[in-house]
Amino acid sequence: DTAVSQTPKYLVTQMGNDKSIKCEQNLGHDTMYWYKQDSKKFLKIMFSYNNKELIINETVPNRFSPKSPDKAHLNLHINSLELGDSAVYFCASSPTQGLSGGYTFGSGTRLTVV
Amino acid sequence: QKEVEQDPGPLSVPEGAIVSLNCTYSNSAFQYFMWYRQYSRKGPELLMYTYSSGNKEDGRFTAQVDKSSKYISLFIRDSQPSDSATYLCAMSSQAGTALIFGKGTTLSVSS
Repeated sequence: DTAVSQTPKYLVTQMGNDKSIKCEQNLGHDTMYWYKQDSKKFLKIMFSYNNKELIINETVPNRFSPKSPDKAHLNLHINSLELGDSAVYFCASSPTQGLSGGYTFGSGTRLTVV
Repeated sequence: QKEVEQDPGPLSVPEGAIVSLNCTYSNSAFQYFMWYRQYSRKGPELLMYTYSSGNKEDGRFTAQVDKSSKYISLFIRDSQPSDSATYLCAMSSQAGTALIFGKGTTLSVSS
């Protein structure tokens, strides 16, 4: 039933570790995104990805790497985690034509780096 | 100047009040405009969608877009305590490109 699902919901890890967050959508959308929401609730785009192109936000450190095995999945791998990476990460998806349904967001992964 | 400006509030109103939330933007290429509602520890959920300029009404909610002024608004009539949430304006230039968000306005409706 869930349109955009991401796992895990919570992630607590130590500095320097490598972790991955998984995202899956069953809406048939062909574009997926990763957003980072900071402590002040500001949602900032990190990556957008469709079948043809990965668009990287230039402010994202290269420790972050998206991986898409197919158009229904977009995972986020983070190397050498830092304290400043603590945030809520949201996966989202959208069609490339017609947006009356908007962009659909997952419920978020709350990452805490200690 | 940030691409999308939104007053973060907080905004506190009594139940039954009319609430007005606003955003301004600088990128004239934006043509898809949305309002999302986000409850604490939840993901954003789409509340209103508007393409280009104009008004759209859905129950107690009205969205307005004025592209000439680069200004969008969301009005909530007869506000309820269940409307207490963070409201995020968002926009994009075309489908399949990144949605750019305002910083969100936190609304509290007291009974």
